[in-house]
Amino acid sequence: GAGVSQSPRYKVAKRGQDVALRCDPISGHVSLFWYQQALGQGPEFLTYFQNEAQLDKSGLPSDRFFAERPEGSVSTLKIQRTQQEDSAVYLCASSLEVVGEKLFFGSGTQLSVL
Amino acid sequence: EDQVTQSPEALRLQEGESSSLNCSYTVSGLRGLFWYRQDPGKGPEFLFTLYSAGEEKEKERLKATLTKKESFLHITAPKPEDSATYLCAVQAGTASKLTFGTGTRLQVTL
Repeated sequence: GAGVSQSPRYKVAKRGQDVALRCDPISGHVSLFWYQQALGQGPEFLTYFQNEAQLDKSGLPSDRFFAERPEGSVSTLKIQRTQQEDSAVYLCASSLEVVGEKLFFGSGTQLSVL
Repeated sequence: EDQVTQSPEALRLQEGESSSLNCSYTVSGLRGLFWYRQDPGKGPEFLFTLYSAGEEKEKERLKATLTKKESFLHITAPKPEDSATYLCAVQAGTASKLTFGTGTRLQVTL
């Protein structure tokens, strides 16, 4: 595809449900990032992959959050036992280079936990 | 901890009225400072990367500058289509992640 694709675009979950958010990066991009963006705030870093290796997961807010990129392309962010404070837009970004400077972002998944 | 502060939070300009957005930062070992534009319902779109104090970059009506403590995004003769949130971010030390500010919401009216 021409850009980073995220699905679903919108997700409504009941508190306590598990959710899975998908990211299809630009083909051939080595670096993949997940960010969380609350309303009116800037994106906050969650985790970083270089190919299939998760090199930095320091931004994951709790052990309920888990991300994977098993074949070095598609990535999934999973949130277990969702809480209301998890409501936010989850952005995925990819970069051609290892350093990950110029990021290409998807449009995000808006998660609402009721 | 890396910190990025953007001001003003919101800015309303008339078409053709030039202005500047500010991004001040506190980091250990700046590797790069980035400007992104974000439209409602979309992800951020890359504008510029600046690497060292004194560097400047331009694109259409936008010009970004960098000092040792802050960056400015100058908007010359803005048009309504420049309305968006402008985000500043830094990359520092050995980390690959970007640390973002909260953004400046720009509205340009006719």
